[in-house]
Amino acid sequence: DTEVTQTPKHLVMGMTNKKSLKCEQHMGHRAMYWYKQKAKKPPELMFVYSYEKLSINESVPSRFSPECPNSSLLNLHLHALQPEDSALYLCASSPPSGNEQFFGPGTRLTVL
Amino acid sequence: GEDVEQSLFLSVREGDSSVINCTYTDSSSTYLYWYKQEPGAGLQLLTYIFSNMDMKQDQRLTVLLNKKDKHLSLRIADTQTGDSAIYFCAENLSGGYNKLIFGAGTRLAVHP
Repeated sequence: DTEVTQTPKHLVMGMTNKKSLKCEQHMGHRAMYWYKQKAKKPPELMFVYSYEKLSINESVPSRFSPECPNSSLLNLHLHALQPEDSALYLCASSPPSGNEQFFGPGTRLTVL
Repeated sequence: GEDVEQSLFLSVREGDSSVINCTYTDSSSTYLYWYKQEPGAGLQLLTYIFSNMDMKQDQRLTVLLNKKDKHLSLRIADTQTGDSAIYFCAENLSGGYNKLIFGAGTRLAVHP
């Protein structure tokens, strides 16, 4: 398995809903990332997990809650989001011995 | 400061070479990357270069790095319609955890 997978591909939620985004990789990578990408903009880093511990939180609002249950899985729990949170959410991972980041296909989130 | 700049748009004829340029500000960046993003998709890592190199070639792709001027370029030889996409330059800030700072992206349009 040589890719990063993300589910769901698309998600529409209301401002009072609770939902989760899921990211998975089976490449033995020990760093995993969440990025947010607004339309026509570059990705912006949200969180970094290194060896299952949160190492970077880029001052992300608490309505976004990351979780890394094991080295292959990364979740992003969403609660009480705002319409301006609508974006493409990208997950990435990188190997312990290298500096590449490999991205998943993203989850396109729409908040109504 | 952290800043990566790219021109926003490039149009080339099929079969010609494309050159996408990027400037960055962090002189301590260890790696510099080129990613490709097709509409509605995630980011595909095309190539990257270590900061002590000045050139890297990989099939149709050539990366040139001028560390003195903090200038990075990506040349695509024999550009094809399938190369139409947004190309992001990114720098890896020093200090570990692979924090990437992306440029705004260059939209490459390939016409017959």
